[in-house]
Amino acid sequence: GAGVSQSPRYKVAKRGQDVALRCDPISGHVSLFWYQQALGQGPEFLTYFQNEAQLDKSGLPSDRFFAERPEGSVSTLKIQRTQQEDSAVYLCASSLVPSAVYGYTFGSGTRLTVV
Amino acid sequence: GQQLNQSPQSMFIQEGEDVSMNCTSSSIFNTWLWYKQDPGEGPVLLIALYKAGELTSNGRLTAQFGITRKDSFLNISASIPSDVGIYFCAGQRSGGSNYKLTFGKGTLLTVNP
Repeated sequence: GAGVSQSPRYKVAKRGQDVALRCDPISGHVSLFWYQQALGQGPEFLTYFQNEAQLDKSGLPSDRFFAERPEGSVSTLKIQRTQQEDSAVYLCASSLVPSAVYGYTFGSGTRLTVV
Repeated sequence: GQQLNQSPQSMFIQEGEDVSMNCTSSSIFNTWLWYKQDPGEGPVLLIALYKAGELTSNGRLTAQFGITRKDSFLNISASIPSDVGIYFCAGQRSGGSNYKLTFGKGTLLTVNP
């Protein structure tokens, strides 16, 4: 597609519920990133895929967070047993090259609210 | 996680005024990037800087890569209402983690028509 598409745009989850956030990167982009943006903060790195390989998951806050990109295109970020501190905007980004040197193209994000 | 020091946190200006904001880090970056984020949207890349001392323009925007490689500046001239938004600096390091961006906390710009 023309841009990075994320769904849903908004998600309200009850504490303890599992959620799945979807990202459709730009066609042909080998690199895919997930960032978390808390209210009033800049985006913070969560995880990085190069094609289907998850090369870095060091930013995932806990083992309740899991990301996959099984066919090297669409990616899903799953959060199990959501907690209030998980409330944030989750941004997906993609890049043609395996480097941030040219920046990324971000999606519009999924705003997750845990109540 | 680490975030860059960005200032000011917010600015309220009149249309037509010039704006300056900056970003500092305790460590060196290979590349500095400036993004703008509108409400409900993801950040959009404005300017990329690749060399210490480099000065780059994009329309009314001018950004500089600091000589020490630990800071960067963004100027907006003759501001207009559509400049409203949050401006983020981001740094990229060379080496094994060159795919990561470290962001500042943002500068919220409000322009009064």
